[in-house]
Amino acid sequence: EVQLVETGGGLIQPGGSLRLSCAASGFTVSSNYMSWVRQAPGKGLEWVSVIYSGGSTYYADSVKGRFTISRDNSKNTLYLQMNSLRAEDTAVYYCARDVLFPERLYQWGQGTLVTVSS
Amino acid sequence: SYVLTQPPSVSVAPGKTARITCGGNNIGSKSVHWYQQKPGQAPVLVIYYDSDRPSGIPERFSGSNSGNTATLTISRVEAGDEADYYCQVWDSSSDQGVFGGGTKLTVL
Repeated sequence: EVQLVETGGGLIQPGGSLRLSCAASGFTVSSNYMSWVRQAPGKGLEWVSVIYSGGSTYYADSVKGRFTISRDNSKNTLYLQMNSLRAEDTAVYYCARDVLFPERLYQWGQGTLVTVSS
Repeated sequence: SYVLTQPPSVSVAPGKTARITCGGNNIGSKSVHWYQQKPGQAPVLVIYYDSDRPSGIPERFSGSNSGNTATLTISRVEAGDEADYYCQVWDSSSDQGVFGGGTKLTVL
């Protein structure tokens, strides 16, 4: 069964760092387009980042220079390293995958909540 | 950056047809994907590449895209269709994904 499980969320102070993980099962992360999407409490979806199967990475302007998407093929896991966190980064972070198209989000995890607050 | 505009809410009676629009500058030249999100759940892809349905999505869900408007159409609406719906495109000029603000579908 294909599954995506996000972990690593929690409460962090402004300016701090956090690394989110997305453990994949039932498919190979390196053969898929893997994305992060976030949703602030009570708000809509916001695209964050994508890593292509070939390794290219793209970021939303709101996180460029602060967030880094990566993967560990040996662990079949996707990561999102988040630095210089701000209150506006507070959101549920979802990972998603697509085997065919980089901009489509075929399957999603259940999300992990990140709260940035002092 | 590219902007997608959706109506905040749409209401429809059971058995009727709901149409949710997604406006964007020349959106007809882009590929549009639609997601359904029910409260407390992760989003689910319901339409991709303007009008294709993933396996498991009922034929009642359809999509179109032309000019400055893409439309998600839900026929014979059921109570279980009540959810938030989001359109999404890839903005090749900025190499970023873009979501619409979302539309809350209420089944009366």
